[in-house]
Amino acid sequence: DAGVTQSPTHLIKTRGQQVTLRCSPKSGHDTVSWYQQALGQGPQFIFQYYEEEERQRGNFPDRFSGHQFPNYSSELNVNALLLGDSALYLCASSLGQGTHEQYFGPGTRLTVT
Amino acid sequence: QKEVEQDPGPLSVPEGAIVSLNCTYSNSAFQYFMWYRQYSRKGPELLMYTYSSGNKEDGRFTAQVDKSSKYISLFIRDSQPSDSATYLCGGGGNKLTFGTGTQLKVEL
Repeated sequence: DAGVTQSPTHLIKTRGQQVTLRCSPKSGHDTVSWYQQALGQGPQFIFQYYEEEERQRGNFPDRFSGHQFPNYSSELNVNALLLGDSALYLCASSLGQGTHEQYFGPGTRLTVT
Repeated sequence: QKEVEQDPGPLSVPEGAIVSLNCTYSNSAFQYFMWYRQYSRKGPELLMYTYSSGNKEDGRFTAQVDKSSKYISLFIRDSQPSDSATYLCGGGGNKLTFGTGTQLKVEL
């Protein structure tokens, strides 16, 4: 039973560039949430996708956007990258809308130079 | 004030000790409470999940929630070096909110 997978593992970008991160949920899950985790901090909720729509959003600017595909996989896009966007980006999947039991992937470590 | 407060540690204990990890929260709308374990440079791993006051036990781990005082605890019995990690507590309603995590080191 495949768990949550994320790609790529690591990424280095330059300020002002755009980045796309990808996530495949755990088998049987239909909801994907994205989190940003800065060094030494807990994960911060970015947004949640269910039935291909953004259902909940945290306190992140519009530079952060996402998409969910019919197979429940998801993408996180960040435009106009800032140095402060350097973090571990985590994807979590769950069954049904709302919080419920969320299972995290290994994350994508983004470094902005 | 953060919605979930957690002592960052580090907390160092000898192998075999009982570990107590604690969080407080301020959001009365939280319906669910979770504990995750996160090893260095890895994704968080779900340890315990509950949505009621009281105790929930799973092997060496016991999660305790007191909604009246807005207090969440995780107890680890017979701690092992492999338990050395950062422990994240969280509360959820429409979204999941985490504390900063407590770094635990179990020494031989």
